[in-house]
Amino acid sequence: SQQGEEDPQALSIQEGENATMNCSYKTSINNLQWYRQNSGRGLVHLILIRSNEREKHSGRLRVTLDTSKKSSSLLITASRAADTASYFCATKSGGSNYKLTFGKGTLLTVNP
Amino acid sequence: EPEVTQTPSHQVTQMGQEVILRCVPISNHLYFYWYRQILGQKVEFLVSFYNNEISEKSEIFDDQFSVERPDGSNFTLKIRSTKLEDSAMYFCASKTGTESGNTIYFGEGSWLTVV
Repeated sequence: SQQGEEDPQALSIQEGENATMNCSYKTSINNLQWYRQNSGRGLVHLILIRSNEREKHSGRLRVTLDTSKKSSSLLITASRAADTASYFCATKSGGSNYKLTFGKGTLLTVNP
Repeated sequence: EPEVTQTPSHQVTQMGQEVILRCVPISNHLYFYWYRQILGQKVEFLVSFYNNEISEKSEIFDDQFSVERPDGSNFTLKIRSTKLEDSAMYFCASKTGTESGNTIYFGEGSWLTVV
């Protein structure tokens, strides 16, 4: 598999439920970022977690990072219909000062 | 909140034509990027630009592509002779030069359709 692979590929839940998306990567990283993309729109930055951090919160978002397993998870609590979007993880590796490597994304559908 | 702005939002062009996509990065940012996303596929890195020169580019960024920062605010991507496979959403992005400024901010994208 490639750097930054999210699972599941698609997730459908009811409003009010929690949504968990996972991301795995292959090489060592400096940081990992999660982005949201509404259909046909731009990438909105959600949260960045550095390689020396294990957990980070922002509002209803909680991100964890396990560098030993090379994986991260994004938890959205108390989901809303407006959270419906694709969610991508993107990694920045030590070998590059500049580029992010994106996964294929998880399409989250929150049903009202 | 400051944002990266891109124009045009959508462009349709004939194969073989030159296209210029324009971006205004966030004003105090120093690193600039172009990424693209072919419909239904991953977001892919094209090129990064710092201190008025290309700092890194991917294998996608061949001789048909060029970038320029013609003045203090604009950052452009030029595709010299477009091909059908260049049809994609092109994202401009930027970040600060500070150590803590690792977040890369993206624009809304420019849809390019080559016919």
